Amino acid sequence: EDQVTQSPEALRLQEGESSSLNCSYTVSGLRGLFWYRQDPGKGPEFLFTLYSAGEEKEKERLKATLTKKESFLHITAPKPEDSATYLCAVQDSGAGSYQLTFGKGTKLSVIP
Amino acid sequence: DGGITQSPKYLFRKEGQNVTLSCEQNLNHDAMYWYRQDPGQGLRLIYYSQIVNDFQKGDIAEGYSVSREKKESFPLTVTSAQKNPTAFYLCASSMGVEAFFGQGTRLTVV
Repeated sequence: EDQVTQSPEALRLQEGESSSLNCSYTVSGLRGLFWYRQDPGKGPEFLFTLYSAGEEKEKERLKATLTKKESFLHITAPKPEDSATYLCAVQDSGAGSYQLTFGKGTKLSVIP
Repeated sequence: DGGITQSPKYLFRKEGQNVTLSCEQNLNHDAMYWYRQDPGQGLRLIYYSQIVNDFQKGDIAEGYSVSREKKESFPLTVTSAQKNPTAFYLCASSMGVEAFFGQGTRLTVV
């Protein structure tokens, strides 16, 4: 059974204080690992897809990295508008469809 | 604008009633999905459809039903058999690997 564990559950940062969110996963075969951002009362917004260990992707202050067991979402010099819940999900290459298994998310608060 | 539209944004249901949540996409995606989100839990898959007139149960299908008569539309019915329907419901679509989500419907049983 595919499993995704995100840590920490919540993270409070001062504006400009860089940090990382962790996503540990267990799948029989990884088709892809996904990061989403979710604002309160809204649907998840797609951020990144990572396919293989060693891959990295960047977007503004966010950088996602992937190893064989975990992914990190690095946030450099965060701003208050980066406050949101960040969701990690995996797709199993053995699955018949492109369904996702999600972690519970990390709620990030950036204080001015 | 291309995207996924869920309606209504808020829905209130009396116990014993069936309600239908709408999901429409104009992205020309083949696959569509319904997820349920509860506080402190990850999104859980209810149903998915990879092609018109075909759909499969996800992890928590009991008490729900769907149809896929058109490529653009994948409505979800929450039946009276669903014991705890109060939740945030999210529809998604994909053409291949990456899935994109609608803005959600919050269903509350009163």
